[in-house]
Amino acid sequence: KAGVTQTPRYLIKTRGQQVTLSCSPISGHRSVSWYQQTPGQGLQFLFEYFSETQRNKGNFPGRFSGRQFSNSRSEMNVSTLELGDSALYLCASSLVTDIAETQYFGPGTRLLVL
Amino acid sequence: AQSVAQPEDQVNVAEGNPLTVKCTYSVSGNPYLFWYVQYPNRGLQFLLKYITGDNLVKGSYGFEAEFNKSQTSFHLKKPSALVSDSALYFCAVRAYSGGYQKVTFGTGTKLQVIP
Repeated sequence: KAGVTQTPRYLIKTRGQQVTLSCSPISGHRSVSWYQQTPGQGLQFLFEYFSETQRNKGNFPGRFSGRQFSNSRSEMNVSTLELGDSALYLCASSLVTDIAETQYFGPGTRLLVL
Repeated sequence: AQSVAQPEDQVNVAEGNPLTVKCTYSVSGNPYLFWYVQYPNRGLQFLLKYITGDNLVKGSYGFEAEFNKSQTSFHLKKPSALVSDSALYFCAVRAYSGGYQKVTFGTGTKLQVIP
């Protein structure tokens, strides 16, 4: 069974631009969560989607948004990029949006903002 | 507020020796506790979780963790360390807060197994 895939794996953008990251969950998984990992702030939860609806949200500004499609694939968008948005963005999928459900992570997209 | 503490930035252990990576947590409700491992330039890999039941949880690659409610701890252990266990380990807690699920990760502990 294929794992979680994220595209692109690496990305370089400049301040003020916007970026869209993509995540394809494990087949049959309907919940997709997004995380930001930085050396300074560590791992932080962005948001979770289940059945095309945002179910949970972390404490990030409105520049960070996401959506989920009917095939459970998810996209994350960051507008008006700032230097501090440079990070590894991780996507995780699980069967359902249950607090006890195991999440399976993708390899991440490394974003560098210049 | 929900929090997770991993008090050691780095743990060094000789190959073949037992290892422990510490984690303590603070939540207002019932905790759901997880351990993940991250290898360089890779995503997180699930090791084990505690939901309810036995306090000793067994996971992947010979790892186990002990849930201690009174000490609010969930330490990761392995009886005999391998060089290939060298990686970054994260403890995470999930709990309900204001009707929503909230997840908090620890800052990570780098495990170095010395041959």
